[in-house]
Amino acid sequence: AQSVAQPEDQVNVAEGNPLTVKCTYSVSGNPYLFWYVQYPNRGLQFLLKYITGDNLVKGSYGFEAEFNKSQTSFHLKKPSALVSDSALYFCAVRAPTGGYNKLIFGAGTRLAVHP
Amino acid sequence: DVKVTQSSRYLVKRTGEKVFLECVQDMDHENMFWYRQDPGLGLRLIYFSYDVKMKEKGDIPEGYSVSREKKERFSLILESASTNQTSMYLCASPPHRQGSGEQYFGPGTRLTVT
Repeated sequence: AQSVAQPEDQVNVAEGNPLTVKCTYSVSGNPYLFWYVQYPNRGLQFLLKYITGDNLVKGSYGFEAEFNKSQTSFHLKKPSALVSDSALYFCAVRAPTGGYNKLIFGAGTRLAVHP
Repeated sequence: DVKVTQSSRYLVKRTGEKVFLECVQDMDHENMFWYRQDPGLGLRLIYFSYDVKMKEKGDIPEGYSVSREKKERFSLILESASTNQTSMYLCASPPHRQGSGEQYFGPGTRLTVT
């Protein structure tokens, strides 16, 4: 069965430090991978996606993610964290069968950036 | 700019009530989805629709039904609300039926069943 794991419930980082939010996946075939962010009292916003090509993908707000096929991971990164990055982050994978753009989401990781 | 709107941000209902959550998208998208979001569980798919009057069950359809009479509107119905349906409900719509998977989300409806 397809699944996405976000092993950390919460990540704490000081402003200005690099941040990493981890994601691993289990899916047959070539995955389409996504990161979404949810700011307080808001819906989810798309950050970035990997479909094919360069393993390092860049997205909104200075975020990037690295696809690692051998480790089945898609970790979200940012070189220098901002307090405004504090939010709930979801990793997702597109279900490879059935079409219709169905996504399978991880449980979410809360990022707290401290001044 | 794509817009997905939901009829209510906050809703409080009593156990046993029939509850309607409405979602509207303004970009003529074919697919629409209803998720519920719970802490520690992420988003779970309840139902989705790939065209008017067409629907398919997601991972947790029990206790829910849906209606799609017009392309822009997708309704989630709680036939008889229960306290375990207290949750955040998110509607989403991707720009393409068989595209890359990116979805546009509404702001969410936080439903409390007492």
